[in-house]
Amino acid sequence: DAGITQSPRHKVTETGTPVTLRCHQTENHRYMYWYRQDPGHGLRLIHYSYGVKDTDKGEVSDGYSVSRSKTEDFLLTLESATSSQTSVYFCAIREGLSYNEQFFGPGTRLTVL
Amino acid sequence: AQRVTQPEKLLSVFKGAPVELKCNYSYSGSPELFWYVQYSRQRLQLLLRHISRESIKGFTADLNKGETSFHLKKPFAQEEDSAMYYCALRAGNQFYFGTGTSLTVIP
Repeated sequence: DAGITQSPRHKVTETGTPVTLRCHQTENHRYMYWYRQDPGHGLRLIHYSYGVKDTDKGEVSDGYSVSRSKTEDFLLTLESATSSQTSVYFCAIREGLSYNEQFFGPGTRLTVL
Repeated sequence: AQRVTQPEKLLSVFKGAPVELKCNYSYSGSPELFWYVQYSRQRLQLLLRHISRESIKGFTADLNKGETSFHLKKPFAQEEDSAMYYCALRAGNQFYFGTGTSLTVIP
């Protein structure tokens, strides 16, 4: 499993509430990513990080923010959750030196009512 | 703009038949392409990447820059190949995924 965990694994919340998802790695990889997976859309990049405190937006970043204060943790926050953010969220890591493939976490299923 | 297209949302083949999952891309730079597989209730995992040119679980994929394609092929499908397959393109630090193809291998 490449040392990647996500928490929580499942969450149900109400519209307008803040939600934070956590991705944790034990591999000390530089790059970390947050994706959402939706039927008909595949995986879409939300935000990514290329080091501690270094982050950048992906193609669907509106409504999401991220933080990375330690190499091993990458947090995704929905400041005010909406029903359109109901999705499965995947975290991924990448070494970025010799290898460019990504290793994925188990996913978090988020339902916003 | 970067784009990955997987034209088939669903694909069914019989066990033992050849299978081809299509992937086309658009990218102005030199592409780095991957195939990922997601088995039922499991996380995505790398199936293969074009730069290593290796065969994993009998699957191969050749990068065709002229046709901007990276189709995934296997000569004899097995039931355990039933899964969702995603083609992905690396553009700098970002990755672009296709919408995925759900493959069902019929016994």
